[in-house]
Amino acid sequence: AQTVTQSQPEMSVQEAETVTLSCTYDTSENNYYLFWYKQPPSRQMILVIRQEAYKQQNATENRFSVNFQKAAKSFSLKISDSQLGDTAMYFCAYLNNNAGNMLTFGGGTRLMVKP
Amino acid sequence: DSGVTQTPKHLITATGQRVTLRCSPRSGDLSVYWYQQSLDQGLQFLIQYYNGEERAKGNILERFSAQQFPDLHSELNLSSLELGDSALYFCASSVRWSGELFFGEGSRLTVL
Repeated sequence: AQTVTQSQPEMSVQEAETVTLSCTYDTSENNYYLFWYKQPPSRQMILVIRQEAYKQQNATENRFSVNFQKAAKSFSLKISDSQLGDTAMYFCAYLNNNAGNMLTFGGGTRLMVKP
Repeated sequence: DSGVTQTPKHLITATGQRVTLRCSPRSGDLSVYWYQQSLDQGLQFLIQYYNGEERAKGNILERFSAQQFPDLHSELNLSSLELGDSALYFCASSVRWSGELFFGEGSRLTVL
C-alpha cells in the first residue's frame, strides 16, 4: 500500500521569508500524481500545487514551487515570500489512477507565519 | 468555491444515534469520495463511488455505509454513533481520470 510521510509536524517562518515543507512517499508505481493541499482554520481543503510523476520539470504556482525527486520518492514544497495568510495545515497527497483515483494523505505539517 | 456541496455543515448528536451526510458533486463529475478527518489529523479515505457503483473501500467501519444515487449525489450514513466518530467528514469529486479531487467544505459531526 502507498504511504505518505510528512516528518515535520510543525514549522514556523517569519513573514517574507522562505520555508520548505518535506514529504516522502512509498510506491511501486511509475505513473502517479502528487499534490500539496492547504487547510486553513476554515478547514476547507485547497489545492496548492500538483505534479505529474512523468514530468521532470518541477511544478510552480506563483510563490509555491516543488522539488520533485522521483528516484528518492521525495516531494517538498517551497513557499517563497511567506505571507500571514499562508498560516495553515499543509498536506502532501499521492494519487495513482490505477488505484481508483484515490488520494492518500500524509499526516500534515502545521505552518505558522509570524509577523 | 470548489463546486462540491455538502450538507449539513455542522451536526451535533448523541451516542447511539444515526446521521446522514449528503454530498452533491461538481457538475459532470462521476466519482465521489468520502474522507474522515479526526482532530488535527490527516484525512483517512473511507469509500469511493463511480457512477453509482462502489469503486474502492478504505478503513470504513461496518457501522458506516454509503451510496451514490442516479443523480450522482451521495450519502454517507453513520449509525450507532460513538464519541470517537466525532470528526470532519469531507466529500470530494472528480472526473474519472483527471488526477485531481475537488473537496467540499466538510460536515463537522460532534457526538456527545
